[in-house]
Amino acid sequence: AQKVTQAQTEISVVEKEDVTLDCVYETRDTTYYLFWYKQPPSGELVFLIRRNSFDEQNEISGRYSWNFQKSTSSFNFTITASQVVDSAVYFCALKPIASTSYGKLTFGQGTILTVHP
Amino acid sequence: DVKVTQSSRYLVKRTGEKVFLECVQDMDHENMFWYRQDPGLGLRLIYFSYDVKMKEKGDIPEGYSVSREKKERFSLILESASTNQTSMYLCASTGLSDRAYQETQYFGPGTRLLVL
Repeated sequence: AQKVTQAQTEISVVEKEDVTLDCVYETRDTTYYLFWYKQPPSGELVFLIRRNSFDEQNEISGRYSWNFQKSTSSFNFTITASQVVDSAVYFCALKPIASTSYGKLTFGQGTILTVHP
Repeated sequence: DVKVTQSSRYLVKRTGEKVFLECVQDMDHENMFWYRQDPGLGLRLIYFSYDVKMKEKGDIPEGYSVSREKKERFSLILESASTNQTSMYLCASTGLSDRAYQETQYFGPGTRLLVL
């Protein structure tokens, strides 16, 4: 069984601050994918990133960066110079790579990020 | 672009009514999923389907059923709606036909259901 924990229920920052969203996971699978999704007020989950367990390289995409540390089972997400448009609920998720998983995801509880002007 | 659509953004139903939520994807994806989202609980899997007429229970299937008669369409059915089924329902799909997509779920806009 898998478990994903996002300990921060809500975070509130002022525009231009940096903010890090934490994600810790548990799995017995040796190979898996980790994901981050963004859910703006409109409701649709937007895919942000997928990392596989083979690759611990950090990734940067514009103001977004992700820090994957297998040793601590963490996959944290940092937004640099936050903007009001970053306000959303962010979900971390995990999926075993095994073919029998049918693509099923295990989600964390979500972190509500509010960026104030 | 992958497109997943859901039949309604908002629904209001009465206790005991039969409710149908429809989901359609246009990318020929094999796998489709229904989740419900509740504050503090994240997304929980209700049912999924890996092929036409095939279905598997997720983590919280009680009170729900599903139908997949065509590859592009996956329906969630509340046989007799109850107030504790008031929630946000999200549909997703993922496919095997395109390596870039097969590991990533793409979501519809969600249906907010209120059961009175």
